[in-house]
Amino acid sequence: DAKTTQPPSMDCAEGRAANLPCNHSTISGNEYVYWYRQIHSQGPQYIIHGLKNNETNEMASLIITEDRKSSTLILPHATLRDTAVYYCIVRPSNSGGSNYKLTFGKGTLLTVNP
Amino acid sequence: DGGITQSPKYLFRKEGQNVTLSCEQNLNHDAMYWYRQDPGQGLRLIYYSQIVNDFQKGDIAEGYSVSREKKESFPLTVTSAQKNPTAFYLCASKSGELVAQPQHFGDGTRLSIL
Repeated sequence: DAKTTQPPSMDCAEGRAANLPCNHSTISGNEYVYWYRQIHSQGPQYIIHGLKNNETNEMASLIITEDRKSSTLILPHATLRDTAVYYCIVRPSNSGGSNYKLTFGKGTLLTVNP
Repeated sequence: DGGITQSPKYLFRKEGQNVTLSCEQNLNHDAMYWYRQDPGQGLRLIYYSQIVNDFQKGDIAEGYSVSREKKESFPLTVTSAQKNPTAFYLCASKSGELVAQPQHFGDGTRLSIL
């Protein structure tokens, strides 16, 4: 799986947009970008994923650059409950049909301040 | 509501004792996974199962055992052979129909040694 690079921490003011970057310069053509978050002492929560096109759901938007070497997760109106570690993960869409593991790095600790 | 239920939330193990962590899902997912998370670290895959009555070792299977007798259940036994069992254990599941579909996680079981 391609390696990802994320800043270790970021701050955001409550009510403002939080933009979390992820670099995945070695991503290959069949690899998807997934975002998860983990609030302390809870299981990781799936947020969004995409391949080439930008994606949006009720939680967030995912912007993938045209060369696919980086992406940004956008939380449009951050709340205090969005304080968590955010993980950017890339994995192939055809892992030999094995539905294989997710590799979590250290992620970005997003702190939303009042 | 559909989801993944892990129990118990907290578990204590005595020396030489085997303990079993429960994971149940009602999402009708084919694939299930067990991960271990140590403080400040990413997730490491212990075992995974793509289908009932079949499972595969992950990266750190030594000292652990699993069974998959029913589609909705994937219990993990931490045996006395696992010398450093203190960790946060996470169960996940995934639909097998589309490889790109994300894994969804339970809220974890925290295991400690007495």
